Amino acid sequence: GESVGLHLPTLSVQEGDNSIINCAYSNSASDYFIWYKQESGKGPQFIIDIRSNMDKRQGQRVTVLLNKTVKHLSLQIAATQPGDSAVYFCAELYTGNQFYFGTGTSLTVIP
Amino acid sequence: GAGVSQSPSNKVTEKGKDVELRCDPISGHTALYWYRQSLGQGLEFLIYFQGNSAPDKSGLPSDRFSAERTGGSVSTLTIQRTQQEDSAVYLCASSFWTSGRNEQFFGPGTRLTVL
Repeated sequence: GESVGLHLPTLSVQEGDNSIINCAYSNSASDYFIWYKQESGKGPQFIIDIRSNMDKRQGQRVTVLLNKTVKHLSLQIAATQPGDSAVYFCAELYTGNQFYFGTGTSLTVIP
Repeated sequence: GAGVSQSPSNKVTEKGKDVELRCDPISGHTALYWYRQSLGQGLEFLIYFQGNSAPDKSGLPSDRFSAERTGGSVSTLTIQRTQQEDSAVYLCASSFWTSGRNEQFFGPGTRLTVL
């Protein structure tokens, strides 16, 4: 029978292509955001962060863009590799030290 | 340097039993978080400890859930009278703020299955 429940958004990309993963956050007062990568059977791993006084931040092969007007975050991965296959979460710092996580996007890299 | 460790890695229990999950944070990290992750879902905040301050328990789903952190280090999450809907992966993270950045280091999680 058909399974019932929420399904992760999925993204499939060819190895070497660029990937863009999107996230909508909930609170316009959130001032700090983090992207995490979670591989199967492991805890999430910090990738990159950005403060609300910035609209772009670059790391190694990754770029985070923040659009506060529409409460949107994106993670861009350049030259995607098979090792990038994972679930990616965005998290917003909502109040004090309480982080709220999105439901995640599953990225599959096709060799 | 060891990362965050959690034990047990897997726990199967019967409905109605109590369970204790343990988290060993990274030494020197003053902040400790517990999250719950159901299959295919994001992380649900449960509780947050910061130094000697009173914990932020606002994410605990019911009074069957409690957590403590002894000596500012090891933390245990206790679930009393477990229910099937408690089945999930329970993740612990420790962190510190430095240069305006809060990098949370996650443990591998404890997979709890309530039969």
